[in-house]
Amino acid sequence: KAGVTQTPRYLIKTRGQQVTLSCSPISGHRSVSWYQQTPGQGLQFLFEYFSETQRNKGNFPGRFSGRQFSNSRSEMNVSTLELGDSALYLCASSLGGLADRRSYEQYFGPGTRLTVT
Amino acid sequence: LAKTTQPISMDSYEGQEVNITCSHNNIATNDYITWYQQFPSQGPRFIIQGYKTKVTNEVASLFIPADRKSSTLSLPRVSLSDTAVYYCLGENTDKLIFGTGTRLQVFP
Repeated sequence: KAGVTQTPRYLIKTRGQQVTLSCSPISGHRSVSWYQQTPGQGLQFLFEYFSETQRNKGNFPGRFSGRQFSNSRSEMNVSTLELGDSALYLCASSLGGLADRRSYEQYFGPGTRLTVT
Repeated sequence: LAKTTQPISMDSYEGQEVNITCSHNNIATNDYITWYQQFPSQGPRFIIQGYKTKVTNEVASLFIPADRKSSTLSLPRVSLSDTAVYYCLGENTDKLIFGTGTRLQVFP
């Protein structure tokens, strides 16, 4: 079974620009969560989508947004990029949502490395 | 959600058993304890999860004392390919909050 895929794998943007990252979950998985990983802050939760609805959100500014489509694919958008947004952005999928104790085990994609200059 | 404290790094040799202990003093009564493994340039990979006592799967064991304020991930007979960062987290039905992780280096 194919794993979680993320595109693009690498991206270079300039301050002030916006960026959209894409995540395709494992077939049959309905939950997609997004994380930001930086050397200084580690892995930080951004948000979770389940059946096209955002169900949980981390402590990130409104410049970070996302959505989920009916086929469970998800996109994450960052507007007005800042240098501090340079990070590895990871998405993870699971069968159930984070509230479903029986099937929330998350499978992570390889990430998108975003560099803001 | 439980805040976790782990050693920043550990060294071991091939064939040895490695035990990584994590402290999670403020774990909630309904938090599960979960461990993830991460290789460079890859997303974290679920290793094992438990609630209390001992859990064992094909790759690791997880020991959780009765007070649940700590947990120990045990990797039997590590190999070079076990060199990675290991995260423990106290997890409930809200969101995953990762700690800083333990960087395990396995030497030949």
